[in-house]
This record gives sequence, structure tokens and C-alpha cells, in this order.
Amino acid sequence: DGGITQSPKYLFRKEGQNVTLSCEQNLNHDAMYWYRQDPGQGLRLIYYSQIVNDFQKGDIAEGYSVSREKKESFPLTVTSAQKNPTAFYLCASRLREGYGYTFGSGTRLTVV
Amino acid sequence: AQTVTQSQPEMSVQEAETVTLSCTYDTSESNYYLFWYKQPPSRQMILVIRQEAYKQQNATENRFSVNFQKAAKSFSLKISDSQLGDTAMYFCAFRGNFGNEKLTFGTGTRLTIIP
Repeated sequence: DGGITQSPKYLFRKEGQNVTLSCEQNLNHDAMYWYRQDPGQGLRLIYYSQIVNDFQKGDIAEGYSVSREKKESFPLTVTSAQKNPTAFYLCASRLREGYGYTFGSGTRLTVV
Repeated sequence: AQTVTQSQPEMSVQEAETVTLSCTYDTSESNYYLFWYKQPPSRQMILVIRQEAYKQQNATENRFSVNFQKAAKSFSLKISDSQLGDTAMYFCAFRGNFGNEKLTFGTGTRLTIIP
């Protein structure tokens, strides 16, 4: 079955360390997105990519980095510059203009 | 910038009853897309229903329907014959037209279906 796979489901990071969240899709979708979800808030866009080797900053890109070397993969790196990284991270992809986004099952990142 | 407002942080309803979740948005665009997403305790985001602004007919998906009032910038979700499995967070989301890739979410409504 086609879908989006995010790994790991839970991730713990020590302060000062970078960590990379994986997002893989086999839906042949062109566009991919990273969202952050905090309690009491909706989803906020971190980065998005419409084609391979190209990506744009969202609303809260500071302290994060991404790459899009393959159509299927859009990893997110949470750097030590991110002041409050503990959150739930969701990856999504979209097939065509106007269609709804398909989401992965998320990664819960906790800084310890 | 677009904003999406969900003014009901929490709602509860008896099983089999009908419930309506409210959503308003602000935009200067004339064509856009609106969505309702469901997030159950598993935290998987599930698309419930979508509406294209240029279509006047309200979208319907089985027990789920919307009341889209373009002039009022209102996009409410009605759930009929509510079921226990409908218990979840519900998010309203807005996306602009071509070239505007951002999907903007409201803060959500936590819906509880009471047996």
C-alpha cells in the first residue's frame, strides 16, 4: 500500500545535538512538507519542497534544515539552534494542486 | 496572510446526535481550498472533507458535510449520526491557489462522542 513513513516514532535528543527525522513516501507525490504540532496549537509549517533539489522555508524554519535529493525522501534535521525542539513533527505530501495532503504518522521528539 | 479560526476548543455530544464544528478564515484571494482534518488519539491526520471555493455546492462525504459561506468566510463541519469513532481533534485548514503552497491550520476542536 502507498503511504508516508516517518521514523522513528519516538526520538530523544540531548541538548546541543542535531537530530534527523526521516520521511519517505511511495505515492509518487511531487510536493512534500514538514509541520510541527504543539499542544493547543494547530500545525505550523517548517519547510516544504515542490520538486527535487528545491525547497522553501515555511513560517518557523529557524533552527531546522532539510534536503530533497530524491522524490521519495524529505528528511528534516533539527539543529542545536532550535531553542524549543520538543514537539510532534508531521510530514506530508501532496499529489496535485488543490488536493488534500497525505500525512505520515508523526515523530515525537523530546529533548532531555 | 491567511488566518484560520476555530472558536470552539472543546465540544461533546451524545452518540447518534448531530454536531457542528465552526471555522472562519480570512483571505483576500478569490479562489482557494478548504479542508477538515481529523486527528484521533493515534495522532494520524486524516482528511475528512475538502471544498473548492469556486464551487457553490457544499461538499458531502457520507455522514460529514460542510456549510460553506464564502461571503461570510465561514466553513463549518456537520457530523450526522455521530459515532464513538468520531472522537478526535478536528482541524480546519486553508490553502490558497496556485503558487501558494502553505496549508494553514486552525487551532483545532476537541470533539468527544459520549456513549
